[in-house]
Amino acid sequence: QEQLVQSGAELRKPGASVKISCKASGFEFTDYYIHWVRQAPGQGLEWMGRINPKNIGTNSVQKFLGRVTMTKDTSITTAYMELRGLRSDDTAVYYCARVRLGSTHFDHWGQGTLVTVSS
Amino acid sequence: QSALTQPASVSGSLGQSITISCAGTSNDVGAFNYVSWYQQYPGKAPKVLIYEVSNRPSGVSNRFSGSKSGNTASLTISGLQAEDEADYFCSSYTTKSPWVFGGGTKLTVL
Repeated sequence: QEQLVQSGAELRKPGASVKISCKASGFEFTDYYIHWVRQAPGQGLEWMGRINPKNIGTNSVQKFLGRVTMTKDTSITTAYMELRGLRSDDTAVYYCARVRLGSTHFDHWGQGTLVTVSS
Repeated sequence: QSALTQPASVSGSLGQSITISCAGTSNDVGAFNYVSWYQQYPGKAPKVLIYEVSNRPSGVSNRFSGSKSGNTASLTISGLQAEDEADYFCSSYTTKSPWVFGGGTKLTVL
C-alpha cells in the first residue's frame, strides 16, 4: 500500500541539527512533491517547505530560510529534511506529506517524527 | 504569512450538523479554489477530507462537505457521530507562502 514512513523521535540540544527521513513506498515517487509540515505541542499545523520530485528545486517559508535543507534520494525513494540551529521552539512533530503534481492538497501523510529540543 | 482563522472550538450533538469556518484573505482563500480540509485525531497524522473547496476523496463520508464564499471557506459535517470528535484544519494555496494552514478547530460531540 502507499506509505510514507518517517524516522524515529529525536532529542537534540539547542544549536544542534536534526535530519529526518521520509521513506516512500507503494507509489511513483517522482509523481509527487514531498512537503514538510510541523506541529508544535498543542498547536496548529505550519507549512515549512517542499521539494520538487523532478529535480532538486525546493521552496520554503521565509522564516526557515538558511536553517532548513530539503533533499531527496530518488534511488531509494526517500526525502530528507534537515533543520539547523535548533531552538526550544522548534520542538514539534514534523510530518512529511505528499502532493501530486498539478494538485494542491496533501493526500497522504507520514506518521510524524517528534523532535525535542532541550538542554 | 498569517495562519488562516478558524474558531478554536465548536460542539454539536449527535445527529446534528455543524459548520467550521476558515477565514483568509484575497491572497489565499479568496484567490484560488485550492482550499482543503483535514481531520486529525490526537497523536495521529492528518487525513484529507475535502480538497479544492468541495471535492471529497474516495472513501470520505458524504457527511463532510465544503464550500467557499469570498475569503471564507467552510466545512460542514452533517449527522454528527461520536467518531467525528477530532481536530479540523483548513489549508489554502496562497500567492506568497505558498501554503498556509488554519489554527485548527476542536470539535466536541455532545
